[in-house]
Amino acid sequence: QVHLVQSGAEVKKPGASVKVSCKASGYTFSANYIQWVRQAPGQGLDYMGHVNPASGDTNYAQKFQGRVTMTWDASISTAYMELSGLTSDDTAVYFCARGTRHYLDYWGQGTPVTVSS
Amino acid sequence: QSALTQPPSASGSPGQSVTISCTGTSSDVGAYNYVSWYQQHPGKTPKVIIYEVTKRPSGVPDRFSGSKSGNTASLTVSGLRAEDEADYYCLAYAGSHNWVFGGGTKLTVL
Repeated sequence: QVHLVQSGAEVKKPGASVKVSCKASGYTFSANYIQWVRQAPGQGLDYMGHVNPASGDTNYAQKFQGRVTMTWDASISTAYMELSGLTSDDTAVYFCARGTRHYLDYWGQGTPVTVSS
Repeated sequence: QSALTQPPSASGSPGQSVTISCTGTSSDVGAYNYVSWYQQHPGKTPKVIIYEVTKRPSGVPDRFSGSKSGNTASLTVSGLRAEDEADYYCLAYAGSHNWVFGGGTKLTVL
Protein backbone atom coordinates (compact mmCIF):
# COMPACT_ATOMS: atom_id res chain seq x y z
CA GLN A 1 0.00 0.00 0.00
CA VAL A 2 1.36 3.39 -1.01
CA HIS A 3 2.05 5.86 1.78
CA LEU A 4 3.66 9.29 1.84
CA VAL A 5 4.56 10.47 5.35
CA GLN A 6 5.68 14.04 5.82
CA SER A 7 7.69 15.72 8.56
CA GLY A 8 6.01 17.66 11.33
CA ALA A 9 4.80 21.22 11.70
CA GLU A 10 7.33 24.05 11.54
CA VAL A 11 7.41 27.59 12.90
CA LYS A 12 9.91 29.92 11.25
CA LYS A 13 10.86 33.56 11.43
CA PRO A 14 10.71 35.82 8.37
CA GLY A 15 13.79 35.43 6.22
CA ALA A 16 14.49 31.89 7.38
CA SER A 17 14.31 28.67 5.38
CA VAL A 18 12.24 25.54 5.91
CA LYS A 19 12.89 22.01 4.72
CA VAL A 20 10.02 19.54 4.56
CA SER A 21 10.54 15.81 4.06
CA CYS A 22 8.28 13.25 2.42
CA LYS A 23 9.02 9.55 2.98
CA ALA A 24 7.49 7.19 0.46
CA SER A 25 6.69 3.51 0.90
CA GLY A 26 4.74 0.79 -0.85
CA TYR A 27 6.11 1.36 -4.35
CA THR A 28 9.38 1.79 -6.24
CA PHE A 29 10.44 5.31 -5.33
CA SER A 30 12.17 6.06 -8.63
CA ALA A 31 9.15 5.06 -10.71
CA ASN A 32 7.12 8.22 -10.05
CA TYR A 33 7.55 11.96 -9.74
CA ILE A 34 7.13 13.57 -6.34
CA GLN A 35 5.08 16.75 -6.72
CA TRP A 36 4.83 19.54 -4.16
CA VAL A 37 1.68 21.60 -3.57
CA ARG A 38 0.87 24.19 -0.96
CA GLN A 39 -2.34 25.60 0.47
CA ALA A 40 -2.46 28.87 2.36
CA PRO A 41 -5.11 29.20 5.08
CA GLY A 42 -8.56 29.37 3.50
CA GLN A 43 -7.06 29.38 0.02
CA GLY A 44 -6.77 26.98 -2.91
CA LEU A 45 -4.10 24.55 -4.01
CA ASP A 46 -0.91 26.02 -5.47
CA TYR A 47 1.44 23.89 -7.59
CA MET A 48 5.08 24.36 -6.58
CA GLY A 49 7.03 21.90 -8.71
CA HIS A 50 8.30 18.37 -8.88
CA VAL A 51 11.30 16.10 -8.76
CA ASN A 52 11.83 13.05 -10.96
CA PRO A 53 13.93 10.60 -8.93
CA ALA A 54 14.59 8.44 -11.99
CA SER A 55 16.22 11.14 -14.11
CA GLY A 56 17.27 13.67 -11.49
CA ASP A 57 15.23 16.36 -13.21
CA THR A 58 13.45 19.02 -11.25
CA ASN A 59 11.00 21.67 -12.40
CA TYR A 60 9.74 24.58 -10.35
CA ALA A 61 6.71 26.78 -10.87
CA GLN A 62 7.77 30.22 -11.96
CA LYS A 63 6.57 31.95 -8.80
CA PHE A 64 8.88 29.83 -6.66
CA GLN A 65 11.97 29.80 -8.87
CA GLY A 66 15.00 31.07 -7.04
CA ARG A 67 13.53 30.28 -3.62
CA VAL A 68 12.70 26.58 -3.77
CA THR A 69 14.94 23.53 -3.99
CA MET A 70 13.58 20.01 -4.36
CA THR A 71 15.86 17.10 -3.69
CA TRP A 72 15.62 13.41 -2.81
CA ASP A 73 17.51 10.54 -1.25
CA ALA A 74 16.66 7.34 -3.07
CA SER A 75 18.41 5.23 -0.44
CA ILE A 76 15.69 6.12 2.05
CA SER A 77 12.88 6.82 -0.46
CA THR A 78 12.54 10.36 0.78
CA ALA A 79 11.97 13.63 -1.06
CA TYR A 80 12.64 17.08 0.32
CA MET A 81 11.35 20.57 -0.41
CA GLU A 82 13.29 23.55 0.90
CA LEU A 83 11.87 27.05 0.66
CA SER A 84 14.04 30.05 1.53
CA GLY A 85 13.43 33.74 2.17
CA LEU A 86 10.23 33.01 4.04
CA THR A 87 7.59 35.70 4.49
CA SER A 88 4.19 35.62 6.13
CA ASP A 89 2.74 34.83 2.68
CA ASP A 90 4.48 31.45 2.86
CA THR A 91 2.37 30.40 5.84
CA ALA A 92 0.59 27.36 4.45
CA VAL A 93 0.19 23.61 4.56
CA TYR A 94 2.74 21.97 2.26
CA PHE A 95 1.80 18.67 0.63
CA CYS A 96 3.85 16.15 -1.27
CA ALA A 97 2.04 13.89 -3.72
CA ARG A 98 2.97 11.04 -6.02
CA GLY A 99 2.70 11.93 -9.69
CA THR A 100 1.25 9.22 -11.94
CA ARG A 101 0.54 9.89 -15.61
CA HIS A 102 -0.06 13.60 -15.11
CA TYR A 103 -2.18 13.39 -11.99
CA LEU A 104 -1.58 13.10 -8.25
CA ASP A 105 -2.75 9.76 -6.96
CA TYR A 106 -1.41 9.62 -3.39
CA TRP A 107 -0.85 12.54 -1.05
CA GLY A 108 1.11 13.07 2.12
CA GLN A 109 -0.75 14.24 5.20
CA GLY A 110 0.53 17.81 4.84
CA THR A 111 3.06 19.82 6.84
CA PRO A 112 1.87 23.12 8.35
CA VAL A 113 4.47 25.86 8.12
CA THR A 114 3.89 29.08 10.06
CA VAL A 115 6.03 32.14 9.39
CA SER A 116 5.86 34.62 12.22
CA SER A 117 8.15 37.01 13.98
CA GLN B 1 1.38 30.30 -15.45
CA SER B 2 -2.07 31.65 -14.50
CA ALA B 3 -4.47 29.60 -12.44
CA LEU B 4 -7.32 27.92 -14.24
CA THR B 5 -10.70 29.60 -13.76
CA GLN B 6 -13.35 27.86 -11.67
CA PRO B 7 -16.56 29.31 -10.22
CA PRO B 8 -16.01 30.05 -6.51
CA SER B 9 -19.19 28.25 -5.54
CA ALA B 10 -21.80 25.80 -6.76
CA SER B 11 -24.82 24.24 -5.12
CA GLY B 12 -27.58 21.74 -5.58
CA SER B 13 -30.18 19.79 -3.65
CA PRO B 14 -29.81 16.11 -2.81
CA GLY B 15 -30.46 13.97 -5.85
CA GLN B 16 -29.82 16.77 -8.31
CA SER B 17 -26.85 17.15 -10.67
CA VAL B 18 -24.32 19.95 -10.60
CA THR B 19 -21.55 20.79 -13.06
CA ILE B 20 -18.36 22.65 -12.20
CA SER B 21 -16.31 24.22 -14.99
CA CYS B 22 -12.57 24.71 -15.29
CA THR B 23 -11.44 27.12 -17.98
CA GLY B 24 -7.87 27.35 -19.16
CA THR B 25 -6.16 28.10 -22.44
CA SER B 26 -5.00 26.35 -25.58
CA SER B 27 -1.67 25.81 -23.81
CA ASP B 28 -3.05 23.74 -20.93
CA VAL B 29 -6.65 22.45 -20.79
CA GLY B 30 -7.07 22.70 -24.54
CA ALA B 31 -3.71 21.21 -25.42
CA TYR B 32 -3.70 17.93 -23.54
CA ASN B 33 -6.15 15.35 -22.21
CA TYR B 34 -4.45 15.60 -18.85
CA VAL B 35 -7.08 17.25 -16.67
CA SER B 36 -7.71 15.80 -13.23
CA TRP B 37 -10.15 16.73 -10.47
CA TYR B 38 -9.65 16.62 -6.70
CA GLN B 39 -12.12 16.59 -3.85
CA GLN B 40 -11.08 18.11 -0.54
CA HIS B 41 -13.18 18.00 2.60
CA PRO B 42 -12.39 20.57 5.30
CA GLY B 43 -9.15 19.78 7.09
CA LYS B 44 -8.49 16.77 4.87
CA THR B 45 -6.03 15.87 2.15
CA PRO B 46 -7.16 16.25 -1.48
CA LYS B 47 -8.33 13.07 -3.20
CA VAL B 48 -8.29 12.45 -6.95
CA ILE B 49 -11.75 11.69 -8.35
CA ILE B 50 -11.17 12.12 -12.10
CA TYR B 51 -7.98 11.84 -14.17
CA GLU B 52 -7.20 12.18 -17.88
CA VAL B 53 -10.42 14.17 -18.32
CA THR B 54 -12.89 11.29 -17.98
CA LYS B 55 -11.35 8.41 -16.04
CA ARG B 56 -12.35 7.47 -12.49
CA PRO B 57 -9.93 5.84 -10.05
CA SER B 58 -11.06 2.62 -8.45
CA GLY B 59 -13.50 3.27 -5.64
CA VAL B 60 -14.81 6.60 -6.92
CA PRO B 61 -18.58 6.42 -7.48
CA ASP B 62 -19.81 6.70 -11.05
CA ARG B 63 -21.86 9.71 -9.92
CA PHE B 64 -18.70 11.66 -10.68
CA SER B 65 -17.92 12.23 -14.35
CA GLY B 66 -15.63 14.47 -16.34
CA SER B 67 -15.61 15.96 -19.81
CA LYS B 68 -13.81 18.57 -21.89
CA SER B 69 -14.68 20.88 -24.74
CA GLY B 70 -12.02 23.16 -26.14
CA ASN B 71 -10.31 25.03 -23.32
CA THR B 72 -12.93 24.15 -20.71
CA ALA B 73 -13.11 20.98 -18.64
CA SER B 74 -16.10 20.08 -16.54
CA LEU B 75 -16.87 17.91 -13.54
CA THR B 76 -20.45 16.69 -13.11
CA VAL B 77 -21.73 15.27 -9.86
CA SER B 78 -25.00 13.42 -10.34
CA GLY B 79 -27.39 12.28 -7.63
CA LEU B 80 -25.94 14.74 -5.13
CA ARG B 81 -25.41 13.43 -1.63
CA ALA B 82 -24.60 15.27 1.57
CA GLU B 83 -21.08 13.81 1.62
CA ASP B 84 -20.32 15.47 -1.73
CA GLU B 85 -20.17 18.83 0.01
CA ALA B 86 -16.51 19.76 -0.33
CA ASP B 87 -14.06 21.89 -2.28
CA TYR B 88 -13.22 20.74 -5.80
CA TYR B 89 -10.07 21.60 -7.75
CA CYS B 90 -9.06 20.95 -11.33
CA LEU B 91 -5.44 20.39 -12.33
CA ALA B 92 -4.15 20.56 -15.89
CA TYR B 93 -0.84 19.75 -17.51
CA ALA B 94 0.56 22.85 -19.18
CA GLY B 95 3.50 21.34 -21.03
CA SER B 96 7.23 21.51 -20.31
CA HIS B 97 6.73 19.61 -17.05
CA ASN B 98 4.44 22.26 -15.63
CA TRP B 99 1.04 21.82 -14.04
CA VAL B 100 -1.56 24.39 -12.97
CA PHE B 101 -4.48 24.22 -10.55
CA GLY B 102 -7.84 25.88 -10.75
CA GLY B 103 -8.83 28.28 -8.00
CA GLY B 104 -11.27 25.81 -6.48
CA THR B 105 -15.05 25.54 -6.18
CA LYS B 106 -16.95 25.13 -2.94
CA LEU B 107 -19.86 22.75 -3.52
CA THR B 108 -22.79 23.11 -1.15
CA VAL B 109 -25.51 20.48 -0.89
CA LEU B 110 -28.64 22.38 0.08
